[in-house]
Amino acid sequence: KQEVTQIPAALSVPEGENLVLNCSFTDSAIYNLQWFRQDPGKGLTSLLLIQSSQREQTSGRLNASLDKSSGRSTLYIAASQPGDSATYLCAVSGGNTDKLIFGTGTRLQVFP
Amino acid sequence: KAGVTQTPRYLIKTRGQQVTLSCSPISGHRSVSWYQQTPGQGLQFLFEYFSETQRNKGNFPGRFSGRQFSNSRSEMNVSTLELGDSALYLCASSPFSGGTTYNEQFFGPGTRLTVL
Repeated sequence: KQEVTQIPAALSVPEGENLVLNCSFTDSAIYNLQWFRQDPGKGLTSLLLIQSSQREQTSGRLNASLDKSSGRSTLYIAASQPGDSATYLCAVSGGNTDKLIFGTGTRLQVFP
Repeated sequence: KAGVTQTPRYLIKTRGQQVTLSCSPISGHRSVSWYQQTPGQGLQFLFEYFSETQRNKGNFPGRFSGRQFSNSRSEMNVSTLELGDSALYLCASSPFSGGTTYNEQFFGPGTRLTVL
């Protein structure tokens, strides 16, 4: 049974810092890994999707990497801003299905 | 292109009642999935529909059901509501087309259900 864990559970940093969020999964037979952000009481916004054949994806100040063999992904946020404050979730899908298994999330606060 | 829409955004019901939630996917998307989000359990998969057929189902009791229409819009129904059904219900759509393709999921804003 696939289990997804995110560390740390919460993170508070000053504006301008570069930071790394971690995601680990127990079954390496994944198809996609997707990173989302969720603002309080809102839906999920897709940030990056990495297919199993890829090693990383970049979008603006965000870079996500994937190491399937070790069951790990990292989300790197460069030059953090207060607007980055949100909960970040990673999710994996396996096989021919859209079913996502989510991690527990990292709550990020960036203060001015 | 409009995003995923969900109605209603907020609902308050009492125990024992039933509720129907609606989801309209992104235009052209035929795959719709539903998730329940609670503080204690996080995000849990409910079910997945493609071309009016349920492709996958999560580990929820039979009180939770869903369906998809020919225009890809989907509804989920919860009967005999319990206090523990209070949650944010999220719908997602993807461009899945029946094969092993690149299936980025796009989520709606959710329906906040409160059971009293």
